[in-house]
Amino acid sequence: AQKITQTQPGMFVQEKEAVTLDCTYDTSDPSYGLFWYKQPSSGEMIFLIYQGSYDQQNATEGRYSLNFQKARKSANLVISASQLGDSAMYFCAMREGRGGGADGLTFGKGTHLIIQP
Amino acid sequence: KAGVTQTPRYLIKTRGQQVTLSCSPISGHRSVSWYQQTPGQGLQFLFEYFSETQRNKGNFPGRFSGRQFSNSRSEMNVSTLELGDSALYLCASSLFLRDEKLFFGSGTQLSVL
Repeated sequence: AQKITQTQPGMFVQEKEAVTLDCTYDTSDPSYGLFWYKQPSSGEMIFLIYQGSYDQQNATEGRYSLNFQKARKSANLVISASQLGDSAMYFCAMREGRGGGADGLTFGKGTHLIIQP
Repeated sequence: KAGVTQTPRYLIKTRGQQVTLSCSPISGHRSVSWYQQTPGQGLQFLFEYFSETQRNKGNFPGRFSGRQFSNSRSEMNVSTLELGDSALYLCASSLFLRDEKLFFGSGTQLSVL
């Protein structure tokens, strides 16, 4: 089963509108972290926002916020007032577990966001 | 502050050859992890190093290996290259193991012919 599901392969949004990118996850571990990354055409993955499973409040970073609904296992990214420079691939990712061991991130397939003027 | 530096940016190899990719983390970062990105499989975790020790490994064959040096720089090696190894290889660094913020480099685009 997919651990991270991003159901929107592509999205077109008008500049200045708000955007919501969907992400659902699957884990039985009570401790986990959720991440969103942006990947422009240059290839570099840019960290946007992080939400821990025990965090009481939704994470925010500037124009980015994470709508964390734990019971629904959903971690949608909201971009307010979209800009042309927001056009890129967006990846949701999860890291499971806690403790001394290290675990890599599990990524979704991504959403290709295109902002139109 | 310089970001994560990966070299080379592009690489072309033929089947059966081996390749070494390099990653210099952000100064002060001690954890380095590697990911493979392909159109078919997406982004997949390869391995993570911290203090010169491999802490975790993804589901890749033994042809994929890596190491980390005392200055935190890391290399990954792929031996006996296959066509399916063609991918963008991304390196990420962080201050600590399991740090919230991973900073990625621009990657090395490997093409196997």
